[in-house]
Amino acid sequence: DSGVTQTPKHLITATGQRVTLRCSPRSGDLSVYWYQQSLDQGLQFLIQYYNGEERAKGNILERFSAQQFPDLHSELNLSSLELGDSALYFCASSVAPGLSNEQFFGPGTRLTVL
Amino acid sequence: GQQVMQIPQYQHVQEGEDFTTYCNSSTTLSNIQWYKQRPGGHPVFLIQLVKSGEVKKQKRLTFQFGEAKKNSSLHITATQTTDVGTYFCAGPTRQAGTALIFGKGTTLSVSS
Repeated sequence: DSGVTQTPKHLITATGQRVTLRCSPRSGDLSVYWYQQSLDQGLQFLIQYYNGEERAKGNILERFSAQQFPDLHSELNLSSLELGDSALYFCASSVAPGLSNEQFFGPGTRLTVL
Repeated sequence: GQQVMQIPQYQHVQEGEDFTTYCNSSTTLSNIQWYKQRPGGHPVFLIQLVKSGEVKKQKRLTFQFGEAKKNSSLHITATQTTDVGTYFCAGPTRQAGTALIFGKGTTLSVSS
């Protein structure tokens, strides 16, 4: 158990819909990262938040957005879903930059778009 | 754009054989990390290498960081069935922050 929690574990929805994935980082970790894992693309970095502020953006589509709340939990919003958005979405957390680069991954949310 | 490549994509070994996976970056990395993902699981941090030419060992696992800080390898001696999983290398992205760019991983299967 990494200490990072993600809900829900599984999500099945239809094309065109909108979903929200939730992540709670390890206690004390200020950084939250979102990654998408698919068979063809591997693990792709989407976005990073640090202490409530967006820190870095990766290959995140405009239909996707995220935020980190004052209690440091984070949500990833996926809208206008397409079949190709079906993937495993991981959240990871780490302590403040410069202290350690190790990232702790949550169990993931498996999204299936039908 | 920045890329991290890993070979081989898949490797099957008999228990007791050695295994090596190689990682190459298109850019010089300040550090490289290795993660292991068991089937159905999530990536778990194994190690971080920072210095040019660094070699670190964890029991049967040996990690190396190349002199140019653009390549790395993971060698497992005498594999066991518990070594099954996908091994990823990852380096910092060029962007601000501490996000990682991952290789596509090497999936290891071990038969007893």
